[in-house]
Amino acid sequence: AQSVTQPDIHITVSEGASLELRCNYSYGATPYLFWYVQSPGQGLQLLLKYFSGDTLVQGIKGFEAEFKRSQSSFNLRKPSVHWSDAAEYFCAVGGEGGATNKLIFGTGTLLAVQP
Amino acid sequence: DAGVIQSPRHEVTEMGQEVTLRCKPISGHNSLFWYRQTMMRGLELLIYFNNNVPIDDSGMPEDRFSAKMPNASFSTLKIQPSEPRDSAVYFCASSPSGGSGTFGSGTRLTVV
Repeated sequence: AQSVTQPDIHITVSEGASLELRCNYSYGATPYLFWYVQSPGQGLQLLLKYFSGDTLVQGIKGFEAEFKRSQSSFNLRKPSVHWSDAAEYFCAVGGEGGATNKLIFGTGTLLAVQP
Repeated sequence: DAGVIQSPRHEVTEMGQEVTLRCKPISGHNSLFWYRQTMMRGLELLIYFNNNVPIDDSGMPEDRFSAKMPNASFSTLKIQPSEPRDSAVYFCASSPSGGSGTFGSGTRLTVV
């Protein structure tokens, strides 16, 4: 069965520091992978997605993610974190049959940003 | 585009009462999803529709939960009777065919 693991429940970084949020997936074929961000009291906003092609994907708000098939990973990165990036981040994988419309979510990583 | 619209934003109800959550997807999106988010279980897909037809309801926790999509612009998620353990944030999302989902702001349900 498809699954997503986000090993870090909570991460704290200083403003201006680089960020990497980890995501590992389990999927039988080429996965469809997503990163979403959720601010308090809000719904989820899509940051970026990987379907195929270039394994380094650029997203909104200066985020990028790299698909590494050999490691079954899709880590999210940002070179310089801003205070407004404090939120919860969810990695997700497309469900059965590679459908992009049935997503399995990880448990999320809560990012805190120190001034 | 107003995005995915959910109502109400907050709902407080007594155990045993019927609760109806509403969702208006983005126009032109032909897939609609209902998710539930809790601290204990994270984000769970309850059911999704494609072209108004329920495709997979395996995530619906019990018979007390039902969802309908009578037309392309409206869906409901009903809980009858409601229980305290149903307290959660319920999200609706919609997507175009083959696309990724756009989420609504959610309905925070509290059953007392």
